[in-house]
Amino acid sequence: DAGVIQSPRHEVTEMGQEVTLRCKPISGHDYLFWYRQTMMRGLELLIYFNNNVPIDDSGMPEDRFSAKMPNASFSTLKIQPSEPRDSAVYFCASSRDRGSNQPQHFGDGTRLSIL
Amino acid sequence: GNSVTQMEGPVTLSEEAFLTINCTYTATGYPSLFWYVQYPGEGLQLLLKATKADDKGSNKGFEATYRKETTSFHLEKGSVQVSDSAVYFCALSVKGATNKLIFGTGTLLAVQP
Repeated sequence: DAGVIQSPRHEVTEMGQEVTLRCKPISGHDYLFWYRQTMMRGLELLIYFNNNVPIDDSGMPEDRFSAKMPNASFSTLKIQPSEPRDSAVYFCASSRDRGSNQPQHFGDGTRLSIL
Repeated sequence: GNSVTQMEGPVTLSEEAFLTINCTYTATGYPSLFWYVQYPGEGLQLLLKATKADDKGSNKGFEATYRKETTSFHLEKGSVQVSDSAVYFCALSVKGATNKLIFGTGTLLAVQP
């Protein structure tokens, strides 16, 4: 089975540019999560979706961040304009909708560097 | 509220040593408990889980027992290997809520040959 697929694996761009991170969840999974990981703040949940609908975006740091899930097999996290403090590893994860004991399956992440 | 507290790292051990990484939690309701592992340059992977009190999760020689009386879920392994070097995250999710996970801060384990 294919796991969660994220692209790109690495992104280096200059401050002020728009950045788009992509995620393909595991087929049949109803939940999709976006996380950010930094040394200073650890693993932070940014937003999650259930059946393509955003449920909780309270972790999104500010209006420069937006996320969409246009269908069950694709999601994007966009940062516009990007800033150096956005540099981090961004993870996407998905899980089944069968109760709270379902594990989340993580992608390998996108390592983002904003210069 | 719901939260997870893990022991601070890094934990440095010699190969074949015994490992314990402490994890305690606070939760409303009846949580499911998880240990995830993150190897360098990779995403988190589920290591083991337990869904009710006194359950023992196990995988790859690792074990953790869901202790409701002490609100703990400590990770143990009898003999670590260099390949176990990674960051370990304890997490919980609460029944009746969504599939949202509450993660601890992670504990870095470094095993030396």
